[in-house]
Amino acid sequence: NAGVTQTPKFRILKIGQSMTLQCTQDMNHNYMYWYRQDPGMGLKLIYYSVGAGITDKGEVPNGYNVSRSTTEDFPLRLELAAPSQTSVYFCASSFQGAYHSGNTIYFGEGSWLTVV
Amino acid sequence: AQSVTQLDSQVPVFEEAPVELRCNYSSSVSVYLFWYVQYPNQGLQLLLKYLSGSTLVKGINGFEAEFNKSQTSFHLRKPSVHISDTAEYFCAVIDIAGNNRKLIWGLGTSLAVNP
Repeated sequence: NAGVTQTPKFRILKIGQSMTLQCTQDMNHNYMYWYRQDPGMGLKLIYYSVGAGITDKGEVPNGYNVSRSTTEDFPLRLELAAPSQTSVYFCASSFQGAYHSGNTIYFGEGSWLTVV
Repeated sequence: AQSVTQLDSQVPVFEEAPVELRCNYSSSVSVYLFWYVQYPNQGLQLLLKYLSGSTLVKGINGFEAEFNKSQTSFHLRKPSVHISDTAEYFCAVIDIAGNNRKLIWGLGTSLAVNP
């Protein structure tokens, strides 16, 4: 079972460039999430989705966009990359709403993004 | 607002010694509590969680945690650690009293197990 797979693992972007972090899960989970992890700070929720066609903002959505056209895929788009977006990004999923039901969240291995 | 404090940023310990990683949260309202582990260059993985019931929760890899409502704590323990337990450990909490729920993460505790 692959679980949650995200690509690329590493990427260096120049300021102003755009890119998409890909995320796919094979567990048929309805809920998917994007987090960022910065040194000295806890994980912060960027966007989440409760099912195909439905997305919503998390705590730190500015500078990002998402889409959820299928249950499996939840790409994160960075428009006009800025140094403040240098971070480690984690895609995650859960069977039901982890925040309301306490369901386990399954994480991908992370994507290290540097904006220079 | 809810907050999570992991009292130790780094915990060095020798192999086969016991370890306790401390976690306190700020609000004593009804909560869900979690411990996740992040091995080097990997994503986070659930160790254990408290949703309700027994305050002593057993997880994977021999870890356990005790929910103490009066002290608003959820400390993680293992009686004998292995080199392979070297990782970053994150405590997280959800206030379940309202509808606007957030998962609040601690900053992590780096456990280094030395031979």
